[in-house]
Amino acid sequence: DAKTTQPPSMDCAEGRAANLPCNHSTISGNEYVYWYRQIHSQGPQYIIHGLKNNETNEMASLIITEDRKSSTLILPHATLRDTAVYYCIVRAPEWGSARQLTFGSGTQLTVLP
Amino acid sequence: DAGVIQSPRHEVTEMGQEVTLRCKPISGHNSLFWYRQTMMRGLELLIYFNNNVPIDDSGMPEDRFSAKMPNASFSTLKIQPSEPRDSAVYFCASSARGADTQYFGPGTRLTVL
Repeated sequence: DAKTTQPPSMDCAEGRAANLPCNHSTISGNEYVYWYRQIHSQGPQYIIHGLKNNETNEMASLIITEDRKSSTLILPHATLRDTAVYYCIVRAPEWGSARQLTFGSGTQLTVLP
Repeated sequence: DAGVIQSPRHEVTEMGQEVTLRCKPISGHNSLFWYRQTMMRGLELLIYFNNNVPIDDSGMPEDRFSAKMPNASFSTLKIQPSEPRDSAVYFCASSARGADTQYFGPGTRLTVL
């Protein structure tokens, strides 16, 4: 799995968009970008993933640069409940059999009132 | 739709005692993962199963740890004898056949005195 680099912490004002960057300059052509988050005292939660096109779901949007060397997770209207550690994970899927997720240090997002 | 269920949510025990953690994956999922999280080491995989068969147990710390999956809807992680350094939050996760997204349970916080 390609290595990822994320800032250790970020702040965001409540109601504003939170933009969380991730650098993955060694990403391979078949590797996807996954985002998970972990709210304090809870298990990690899947947010979104993508290969090269931008993706959007009910939780967030994922913007992947054209060269795929970096991506940004966007929470369009951050709330206090979005305060969590956000993990960017790059990996090639193995559709036939599962394998483990490797979590790095992530970004601690703090949404301020 | 119930997510991954873990029990107990909290366990306090004394050194030397046997501890059994339990997990019920999401119905229909065929892969199950046990992770451990500590402040020092972050989230790390202990073992995972595909179709009830252990695939990779290289993360299991030592012989004191054992895991079983007797059927598709139940798994246990046992520590015998427990030691204070086993204190951590233990997460169970599951994923569906043909999918690469993992869904985590709420975790069991284990304290060994």
